[in-house]
Amino acid sequence: EDKVVQSPLSLVVHEGDTVTLNCSYEVTNFRSLLWYKQEKKAPTFLFMLTSSGIEKKSGRLSSILDKKELFSILNITATQTGDSAVYLCAVEAREGQGGSEKLVFGKGTKLTVNP
Amino acid sequence: ETGVTQTPRHLVMGMTNKKSLKCEQHLGHNAMYWYKQSAKKPLELMFVYNFKEQTENNSVPSRFSPECPNSSHLFLHLHTLQPEDSALYLCASSQVGGYYEQYFGPGTRLTVT
Repeated sequence: EDKVVQSPLSLVVHEGDTVTLNCSYEVTNFRSLLWYKQEKKAPTFLFMLTSSGIEKKSGRLSSILDKKELFSILNITATQTGDSAVYLCAVEAREGQGGSEKLVFGKGTKLTVNP
Repeated sequence: ETGVTQTPRHLVMGMTNKKSLKCEQHLGHNAMYWYKQSAKKPLELMFVYNFKEQTENNSVPSRFSPECPNSSHLFLHLHTLQPEDSALYLCASSQVGGYYEQYFGPGTRLTVT
């Protein structure tokens, strides 16, 4: 059964700290890994990763994928209170040869950044 | 506000009611999705429509019936729901070709009594 596991489930830090969020996965026919930030209700897209070892960066956020060890990390440096959210990891996979695509989500990491 | 709107934002319904959730996207996308997010489970993909054709139905019970009359509108028709169906229902849209850069609506908070 395909699964995506995120850790930790929750994290409380102070402004200025650096955090690392983890996502490990077991899926067949991996295609890509995606990170989302969810505040209030609607998730917003952060990164899509398809190749190992290539870091993606957007401001203070960065992410990297290890397809050999089947995990990804999301780093946030110099955290701010506005970074408080649930961070979702999802893996896009294909069901068998020529099968349909599917997206499997982890449960998310709830990050709280205190002033 | 995003380019994806959902109505209603909140819905309370009894188990014998029939209701519909509506999603509209103004982004020129041609793929639309329904997701369910409940407190006890990860975000679950329910249905995928590419160019108005349903391409995925992830083992969703038949009491949930999607409809996609055109690339901009997506409905989720609900009937004889169960209390465990209470959740946040999210609609999303993207260009066809993958789940890359989906834009999500604000969601409908559904409570089944």
